[in-house]
Amino acid sequence: KAGVTQTPRYLIKTRGQQVTLSCSPISGHRSVSWYQQTPGQGLQFLFEYFSETQRNKGNFPGRFSGRQFSNSRSEMNVSTLELGDSALYLCASSLGSGSGHEQYFGPGTRLTVT
Amino acid sequence: AQSVAQPEDQVNVAEGNPLTVKCTYSVSGNPYLFWYVQYPNRGLQFLLKYITGDNLVKGSYGFEAEFNKSQTSFHLKKPSALVSDSALYFCAVRDGNNRLAFGKGNQVVVIP
Repeated sequence: KAGVTQTPRYLIKTRGQQVTLSCSPISGHRSVSWYQQTPGQGLQFLFEYFSETQRNKGNFPGRFSGRQFSNSRSEMNVSTLELGDSALYLCASSLGSGSGHEQYFGPGTRLTVT
Repeated sequence: AQSVAQPEDQVNVAEGNPLTVKCTYSVSGNPYLFWYVQYPNRGLQFLLKYITGDNLVKGSYGFEAEFNKSQTSFHLKKPSALVSDSALYFCAVRDGNNRLAFGKGNQVVVIP
C-alpha cells in the first residue's frame, strides 16, 4: 500500500504570497491531520479533517486554513506568508478519527519564506 | 490541556547497550500515548502506542515502551541499540478531543 504523499516537497515563496500544500492519505484512511515542524517550536498541530469536516484546530492564526475532499485528499493554504512560516509541514493520515488511531506521516513539504 | 515532556535533549548510547528514551505526560482523562521516530529529511514513523491493557507495549524494530500510570510516564526502550537507531524520537499524547501533542523530541546517538 502506498504511503502518505505530499506535494510539493520543497517550496520557496516570498513574504506576502500565499501557498497551497497538498496531501494524499493512505488508501482507505479518512482522517488527515496537518502539523508544522520548526527547530524552535517543535511539532505543532494545525488541524484535523475527517470526512471533509474539520474536527479539530490548533492555535494558529486564520491565515492557516485547510480542506478535505471527498476522496480524503487534503490541502492546506497559508495566506500572506511571513518569514516565521518557514517550516516543514507534515501531513498525517489515520484510519479513523478516534483517539486510539495511530497516524502515518508523509515526508513533508519544506517551505521557505524569503 | 495535554502535554508531553521529554527531559533529555540527546541520548548517547554505545551500540549493543540498552537504550531508554524518557517521556512523561499530562492529560485529563485516559491517556492515549504514542512513540514516533524521525530520520533525517523524512516524516515521522509510528513505533508503538498505548491505549489500554498491558503496561508493556511492544512495537516496531524491537522497541517497547512501559506505561506507568502512577508516574505518568511512557519510556521507550530497546534492549540492544543499533547504529541505525540513531534518529529523533518523539513521544506524543492524544486526549479525548483528538488533539495530538508532541514532546520536543530526543536525539538518539548510537556510538559504534
